[in-house]
Amino acid sequence: AQSVAQPEDQVNVAEGNPLTVKCTYSVSGNPYLFWYVQYPNRGLQFLLKYITGDNLVKGSYGFEAEFNKSQTSFHLKKPSALVSDSALYFCAVRDAGSARQLTFGSGTQLTVLP
Amino acid sequence: EAQVTQNPRYLITVTGKKLTVTCSQNMNHEYMSWYRQDPGLGLRQIYYSMNVEVTDKGDVPEGYKVSRKEKRNFPLILESPSPNQTSLYFCASSFGWAASYEQYFGPGTRLTVT
Repeated sequence: AQSVAQPEDQVNVAEGNPLTVKCTYSVSGNPYLFWYVQYPNRGLQFLLKYITGDNLVKGSYGFEAEFNKSQTSFHLKKPSALVSDSALYFCAVRDAGSARQLTFGSGTQLTVLP
Repeated sequence: EAQVTQNPRYLITVTGKKLTVTCSQNMNHEYMSWYRQDPGLGLRQIYYSMNVEVTDKGDVPEGYKVSRKEKRNFPLILESPSPNQTSLYFCASSFGWAASYEQYFGPGTRLTVT
């Protein structure tokens, strides 16, 4: 079985400071990893993904994530947070050989304080 | 505009009254999926479809039915809704069923069963 853990329900950061949203995963095969963002009353929007290659992945809105195979982590980062980044962030994993299951973490609420 | 649409967006119903939530995508995507979102649990997959007439169970299929008669539509059917199916439901689609494809989400349907 595969799983995703987002250990922090809530992350607060001051505007202009760097932000990190943590994610660890467990999967039997090779992992494909995704980050999605959900704004209030909206569906999830794709931010970035790791499939293979460079461990540092760059995505939308200045976000990036670092894949660390030895620590089974895929933390989301941004060098300078904006108030508009405040949202609910979900990490998700899929076994590279599976069409079936995209497993999501429980989500982390990011609040950027002005 | 490329999008996934769901209807209705909000629905309040009573136990046992059959209902259907429609989902449609205009991107010619092969893969479609239904999720439910509950606080603290993230998103859990209900059913998915790899193509027309091909559907399979996700993690929480009990109490739900789906059909995929046309590529663009993937309705979710609750034949006898119960209060534990009160949730926020999302439809999603992706270009193909391979694990590397990111999914595009609809705006969500908030269902309350009394």
